[in-house]
Amino acid sequence: AQSVAQPEDQVNVAEGNPLTVKCTYSVSGNPYLFWYVQYPNRGLQFLLKYITGDNLVKGSYGFEAEFNKSQTSFHLKKPSALVSDSALYFCAVRAPDTGRRALTFGSGTRLQVQP
Amino acid sequence: KAGVTQTPRYLIKTRGQQVTLSCSPISGHRSVSWYQQTPGQGLQFLFEYFSETQRNKGNFPGRFSGRQFSNSRSEMNVSTLELGDSALYLCASSLALSLAGPTNTGELFFGEGSRLTVL
Repeated sequence: AQSVAQPEDQVNVAEGNPLTVKCTYSVSGNPYLFWYVQYPNRGLQFLLKYITGDNLVKGSYGFEAEFNKSQTSFHLKKPSALVSDSALYFCAVRAPDTGRRALTFGSGTRLQVQP
Repeated sequence: KAGVTQTPRYLIKTRGQQVTLSCSPISGHRSVSWYQQTPGQGLQFLFEYFSETQRNKGNFPGRFSGRQFSNSRSEMNVSTLELGDSALYLCASSLALSLAGPTNTGELFFGEGSRLTVL
């Protein structure tokens, strides 16, 4: 079975500081990894994905994530946080080798950026 | 390019009633997935449709059903509503040229959701 863990319910960071939102995964075979963001009363917006290749992937709004196979992690990062980044962030995994197409999501991490 | 459209955005039902939610995917997307989002359980996969056929199903009771039409639009239905069915129901579409293969990375594009309240 595939699973995703987001160990922090909430992350607080001051505007202008770097931010990290943590994600670890468990899956058979090679993972496809995704980050999504959700603003209040909205659907999920795609930020970035790792499929293969370079371990550092860049996405929308200045976000990036680093795939670490040995630590089974895919942490989301941004060098300088904005107040407008405050939202709910979800990490998700898919294991194409298993034939299971659905994404499995983590429980979400609320990012609060203080001005 | 228009995004994923879900209707209605908000609805209120009472226990025992049934509800139908609609989803129009991004033009050209043939795969539609449904997820339930609640504060307690998070995001849970309901089912996925591709070419009018259910390809995957999550761990939900038979009261939850869905279908997909030839134009890729999808509906989901919940019968005999329970209080615990109150949730945000999210539809997502993806470009699935085939069920497997390098072009199908599984990236999903979500609609705004339908918020169901069961009283």
